[in-house]
Amino acid sequence: DVVMTQSPLSLPVTLGQPASISCRSSQSLVSSDGNTFLNWFHQRPGQSPRRLIYKVSNRDSGVPDRFSGSGSGTDFTLKISRVEAEDVGVYYCMQGTHWPWTFGQGTKVEIK
Amino acid sequence: EVQLVESGGGLVQPGGSLRLSCAASGFTFSSYWMSWVRQAPGKGLEWLANIKGDGSEKYYVDSMKGRFTISRDNANNSLYLQMNSLRAEDTAVYYCARPRRSISEEYWGQGTLVTVSS
Repeated sequence: DVVMTQSPLSLPVTLGQPASISCRSSQSLVSSDGNTFLNWFHQRPGQSPRRLIYKVSNRDSGVPDRFSGSGSGTDFTLKISRVEAEDVGVYYCMQGTHWPWTFGQGTKVEIK
Repeated sequence: EVQLVESGGGLVQPGGSLRLSCAASGFTFSSYWMSWVRQAPGKGLEWLANIKGDGSEKYYVDSMKGRFTISRDNANNSLYLQMNSLRAEDTAVYYCARPRRSISEEYWGQGTLVTVSS
């Protein structure tokens, strides 16, 4: 199975400041059709996960443009340009290229 | 509006069985792959199984093979997860999802809690 490794696992942030989460996969996430199925999810306490980003850098409907994704191959990054209070929670990267689809361990974002 | 509503969770003894259901609405159910994902208390996410729109293809994470079965009833817009030989480590919130790998509009339900304990 593809292992997804996130860092950091805990991220204290200051409101209005940028934040960045890294995700590394144990093998390339480029599929045979050339797509890279790397997603980012956000989960608030007591809520279902919500996908923010699909295929590395595409924002899902309704996701604020302060969220951006980048990367290629095995190294990926989620950036929040200016953290807002509603951004707290746990962020997961997830690969959908190789079965079984797998998630990173999660990064807990909290306000300093 | 797309809605996915899970049900069927509860307390079950080790070795027991449970069938989870997911009622789908707001879209043409038979046209979409559907999935089950779970999250143990305080832990991360685990994608368990996928089933094609017509039910002809199914994929399972290895640890579930032989114990869990994903199925669907397109006439009733319902997705199921039959879980047998349950273990304490199967205790989790189980989510139904409509995955969309290449476009937006991926949806998840609110989850149903399964507790395996004597």
